[in-house]
Amino acid sequence: DTGVSQDPRHKITKRGQNVTFRCDPISEHNRLYWYRQTLGQGPEFLTYFQNEAQLEKSRLLSDRFSAERPKGSFSTLEIQRTEQGDSAMYLCASSLESSGTSDTQYFGPGTRLTVL
Amino acid sequence: GQNIDQPTEMTATEGAIVQINCTYQTSGFNGLFWYQQHAGEAPTFLSYNVLDGLEEKGRFSSFLSRSKGYSYLLLKELQMKDSASYLCAVRGRDSNYQLIWGAGTKLIIKP
Repeated sequence: DTGVSQDPRHKITKRGQNVTFRCDPISEHNRLYWYRQTLGQGPEFLTYFQNEAQLEKSRLLSDRFSAERPKGSFSTLEIQRTEQGDSAMYLCASSLESSGTSDTQYFGPGTRLTVL
Repeated sequence: GQNIDQPTEMTATEGAIVQINCTYQTSGFNGLFWYQQHAGEAPTFLSYNVLDGLEEKGRFSSFLSRSKGYSYLLLKELQMKDSASYLCAVRGRDSNYQLIWGAGTKLIIKP
């Protein structure tokens, strides 16, 4: 148990609907990352936060995707007007960035999204 | 460009030893990670190398050569539960802490 939790674990939706996923990181971790993964591929970076600040967003990410981390603790990822190509596993990870640490990312169990 | 290369699939026998290689070309280097991922599950951290040499952790060891842009993960005394994908990821110095991920090596263990 890495301590990162995600909700829901599975989501089935119809094309055009909006979906929101939640991630609760390990409590003392100041960085939080969102990734997308499809079968046979490594995780694809979407965005990351340092505390409540969103520091980077993938240039490949469409404007239908938005993420927040309002109080520097949990984060939400919203996908608007879902498309069948959005079907994937959405992974959240957290890490502790400080001097002398490896800043290792620990992953939650993921949310599997299926868009019909 | 930045790139991570790993074999797509490997097969090994229960009880044996297997070495999974990873080569990388990145903008700078600030650490290499290995993760294990069982089908349908999230990646689990295995090892971290930032200096050249071998890091041993139980049945798993990871080696790094920065001058060659090369790492390997060595798994000893293979067990059926080691059947999984093994992901290599590199943090480039200029990538604002982002990890560059390989596509993973699917390891199949046979009895």
